[in-house]
Amino acid sequence: AQTVTQSQPEMSVQEAETVTLSCTYDTSESNYYLFWYKQPPSRQMILVIRQEAYKQQNATENRFSVNFQKAAKSFSLKISDSQLGDTAMYFCAFMKHLVDGNQFYFGTGTSLTVIP
Amino acid sequence: NAGVTQTPKFRVLKTGQSMTLLCAQDMNHEYMYWYRQDPGMGLRLIHYSVGEGTTAKGEVPDGYNVSRLKKQNFLLGLESAAPSQTSVYFCASRPGQGFSQPQHFGDGTRLSIL
Repeated sequence: AQTVTQSQPEMSVQEAETVTLSCTYDTSESNYYLFWYKQPPSRQMILVIRQEAYKQQNATENRFSVNFQKAAKSFSLKISDSQLGDTAMYFCAFMKHLVDGNQFYFGTGTSLTVIP
Repeated sequence: NAGVTQTPKFRVLKTGQSMTLLCAQDMNHEYMYWYRQDPGMGLRLIHYSVGEGTTAKGEVPDGYNVSRLKKQNFLLGLESAAPSQTSVYFCASRPGQGFSQPQHFGDGTRLSIL
């Protein structure tokens, strides 16, 4: 079974500073996708960034970037120039391909608070 | 753009009652998913569907049934609600098998079982 672990239940960061959220996963698959989702108080799940396991280059989306270490099965999210709107719950997710579809596995989340 | 719409947004049930949660998507997506979100547990997959007329069990399927009679709708049913099913339920959809395609989520349904 796939497991996704987020070891930081809560984190805080000063506005304009940089913060890194950690995620590790366990799988025997060789090809898979990893995602970070953001869930603000509005409860909506919003895709932040995604990474293909076979790509060595780390994904970047504006202020968001990942540090993907495939051998270590680590997928951390770095938020640069933190903004108040970044305050949310962040979920790391793993997707594997099945013959009859794709399954997603989510971590337990990290609650991030950006302090003005 | 409506995207993924969940109905209802809130509901309170008594133990033993039944109800159906509706998920509708207007993006012509093939795959649809139902998750539950509990404090400290993250999102857990209940059931999913890879196309009209097909369903499959996820991580926590017990106590739930689903149907995908129309491509745009994915229904989640509770035949006899139990307090352990108190949770926030999320529906998601994605275009298909392509690895690069993320899920699109609805806004969730908060369900309380008394």
